[in-house]
Amino acid sequence: LAKTTQPISMDSYEGQEVNITCSHNNIATNDYITWYQQFPSQGPRFIIQGYKTKVTNEVASLFIPADRKSSTLSLPRVSLSDTAVYYCLVGGSYQLTFGKGTKLSVIP
Amino acid sequence: GAVVSQHPSRVICKSGTSVKIECRSLDFQATTMFWYRQFPKQSLMLMATSNEGSKATYEQGVEKDKFLINHASLTLSTLTVTSAHPEDSSFYICSAARGGRARETQYFGPGTRLLVL
Repeated sequence: LAKTTQPISMDSYEGQEVNITCSHNNIATNDYITWYQQFPSQGPRFIIQGYKTKVTNEVASLFIPADRKSSTLSLPRVSLSDTAVYYCLVGGSYQLTFGKGTKLSVIP
Repeated sequence: GAVVSQHPSRVICKSGTSVKIECRSLDFQATTMFWYRQFPKQSLMLMATSNEGSKATYEQGVEKDKFLINHASLTLSTLTVTSAHPEDSSFYICSAARGGRARETQYFGPGTRLLVL
């Protein structure tokens, strides 16, 4: 399974765009990249999934360079309610290995 | 769509007793369900994977006789913590996947907080 590395924490002001980068140098050809959001005492919530280039949904964008050794989750105009831990997972059929995640703190 | 529920949301029990946690996929059939454990300020750790109608596959270091998993139907999986001890106190989270596709997304339940006194 591909190991992932993310910053432990990030701070951002309300209304700003936040980019969280995840490194996965040994990603395999069949691996997908999935991002989850977790609030305290809740289960993770699916945000976005991609394989290459760019994926966008109503919540976020996911940028994946051609070598796929990293990926960047982009959250547009964050609000206080976006304060959470964000996990990047990499794998095939199921991505089951959670790294330490990035704790995002949104400041008013 | 893709809603997963867990019951109970929190439970307090005495040391030595057994506790059952239910995980249900409410609006889809889950071929595969997963059970995770999360200690305070730590990440999720996969405990076991279960497929409907077959025995669960446990991760290394997880005692299968202590954490009994049953996946009797496509919408229900249960985790029973037998003879619970204070060190079993944790946040238990299940997830469900439809299965059968090359790329699959897990949908997580809200979690169950277990406190063993």
